[in-house]
Amino acid sequence: GQQVMQIPQYQHVQEGEDFTTYCNSSTTLSNIQWYKQRPGGHPVFLIQLVKSGEVKKQKRLTFQFGEAKKNSSLHITATQTTDVGTYFCAGTTSGTYKYIFGTGTRLKVLA
Amino acid sequence: DVKVTQSSRYLVKRTGEKVFLECVQDMDHENMFWYRQDPGLGLRLIYFSYDVKMKEKGDIPEGYSVSREKKERFSLILESASTNQTSMYLCASSLSNRVVYGYTFGSGTRLTVV
Repeated sequence: GQQVMQIPQYQHVQEGEDFTTYCNSSTTLSNIQWYKQRPGGHPVFLIQLVKSGEVKKQKRLTFQFGEAKKNSSLHITATQTTDVGTYFCAGTTSGTYKYIFGTGTRLKVLA
Repeated sequence: DVKVTQSSRYLVKRTGEKVFLECVQDMDHENMFWYRQDPGLGLRLIYFSYDVKMKEKGDIPEGYSVSREKKERFSLILESASTNQTSMYLCASSLSNRVVYGYTFGSGTRLTVV
């Protein structure tokens, strides 16, 4: 079945450093979403990417969808302590609205 | 703001008990989902529903059933709870099955089966 893997599983960075998490699917996706889960909280929707090669920005966050629509990345510039949490990608194939979530990347930011 | 409310934040149940986890959303969303979240495994889909009385199995439906008698309510049932069902359970909803929207999640129910 469809699988979505994320790397790395954990990442510790010093405040001010950049951070990137990568998401890879075993099948071609129709679109991909990204979520953030703060410690003790629930996942919160960040963004959706639909087009091949699409790049979207939200302040210090840059989201990219691969040309082949099988991978995606989230890059945070100059991390802050408020960026702490687990970041999940979630992908779906065409014809379904059921999303398969990646395993998540837990980010710790050291002040 | 859309609200997805899960009836309990924490639950402790005994092995063999029948357990009901309730989820209610207040924004007329068509789709509702139940996930479980375990460390290192991410979110795994148990069941989902795209309409009243409709349900489809997700990736790990064994040991679970669901009920959606009203559009706003989606219940997850553990027919006979077992210790391997100790987990965080997350309910989610999304607006429509015609256009793709992000999920809105509830706060989760942490279930411990002893």
